[in-house]
Amino acid sequence: GAVVSQHPSRVICKSGTSVKIECRSLDFQATTMFWYRQFPKQSLMLMATSNEGSKATYEQGVEKDKFLINHASLTLSTLTVTSAHPEDSSFYICSATQTGGKGGELFFGEGSRLTVL
Amino acid sequence: DAKTTQPPSMDCAEGRAANLPCNHSTISGNEYVYWYRQIHSQGPQYIIHGLKNNETNEMASLIITEDRKSSTLILPHATLRDTAVYYCIVRVATGGYQKVTFGIGTKLQVIP
Repeated sequence: GAVVSQHPSRVICKSGTSVKIECRSLDFQATTMFWYRQFPKQSLMLMATSNEGSKATYEQGVEKDKFLINHASLTLSTLTVTSAHPEDSSFYICSATQTGGKGGELFFGEGSRLTVL
Repeated sequence: DAKTTQPPSMDCAEGRAANLPCNHSTISGNEYVYWYRQIHSQGPQYIIHGLKNNETNEMASLIITEDRKSSTLILPHATLRDTAVYYCIVRVATGGYQKVTFGIGTKLQVIP
């Protein structure tokens, strides 16, 4: 099946620094990608919808200036956590829907665990 | 808000069938029922989806009620590796723009 890859899988950074997480669709084109955040023992929380070539749509309560999303191509979306703080420590997951073809399935990346010291 | 409700947890004996229910009483006519599972510290894994007919693949079977207001995911012979959180969601199958929100899911514990 289609593959969505995230990088890095784990990252540790100091408070105040910025961290970029990449999400790639490896064998299909994805017009739309989604970014989720998951805290321990909780469900996935949708942060934003990323559309290729346009600005991301953020969910209520998600700071767009803190969580910068760029979707420059049909196979790559990036999430940058700016001026990270310990409360930003979480598991970040992206997903993508295949454009055209069979359609229907929503594929998820392996997730990226961010730890802010 | 999530459009589905699931029991928070279930246990199943290894080798037995695991039946995971999901209620989606407000499902629209063009929305499919999707099932995913998440093993600890990994991204969700697609299992199966369906519109109104029952579906079966190598992983599981999906039974959807005639009124489409609920469904059941069946793992025919549960193994310890099936221990995970299972999420039931509804979404349209085409038009990738539709955002997907997750409920709490069902934490399935397969017991030896």
